[in-house]
Amino acid sequence: SYVLTQPPSVSVAPGKTARITCGGNNIGSKSVHWYQQKPGQAPVLVIYYDSDRPSGIPERFSGSNSGNTATLTISRVEAGDEADYYCQVWDSSRGVFGGGTKLTVL
Amino acid sequence: QVTLKESGPVLVKPTETLTLTCTVSGFSLSNARMGVSWIRQPPGKALEWLAHIFSNDEKSYSTSLKSRLTISKDTSKSQVVLTMTNMDPVDTATYYCARILDTAMVDYWGQGTLVTVSS
Repeated sequence: SYVLTQPPSVSVAPGKTARITCGGNNIGSKSVHWYQQKPGQAPVLVIYYDSDRPSGIPERFSGSNSGNTATLTISRVEAGDEADYYCQVWDSSRGVFGGGTKLTVL
Repeated sequence: QVTLKESGPVLVKPTETLTLTCTVSGFSLSNARMGVSWIRQPPGKALEWLAHIFSNDEKSYSTSLKSRLTISKDTSKSQVVLTMTNMDPVDTATYYCARILDTAMVDYWGQGTLVTVSS
């Protein structure tokens, strides 16, 4: 089965740029979607089809996907961005999630 | 306004069968672009895709849990039902139902329901 690998944690100072990676075999050939989950809440879609943003998601959130790595980039990080982030793809007619990355704002 | 709401028992005993119902509103289960998935999350752990069903009744299950899962829908009632047999304490988790759009992303999630497996 297809495996998505994320770093367990990423730390960043306020105002800086956070990059969260999602690794998978030839993931560049797939569409990657990203979700933000704050404690006690359901996940929220923040990036879909690699780099598109749903309405209401700040422009500070962006995405890219190439080769074996997809990346979620959060610019000008704010305290409110502290959350768990999950990548997701569709493989063999099933959804697959990465293991999640905890973003800590220092 | 799209909403999904999970309902079912909060506590089940080991070996019992869990039945969860997802009631949706704001869209139709007959919409060809949309499906409904069940996703779970053990406390402090990652999301896990369990199963999904589409408007044409196409279904798919987690490879590791396939033998224990059954998903079905009642379009007239706007409900999707998931059953999981032979529950074990490791199945303790928050269970979410969620809308799938275009066989790709999840664009709406239910609030989730915490199911505890304990004797």
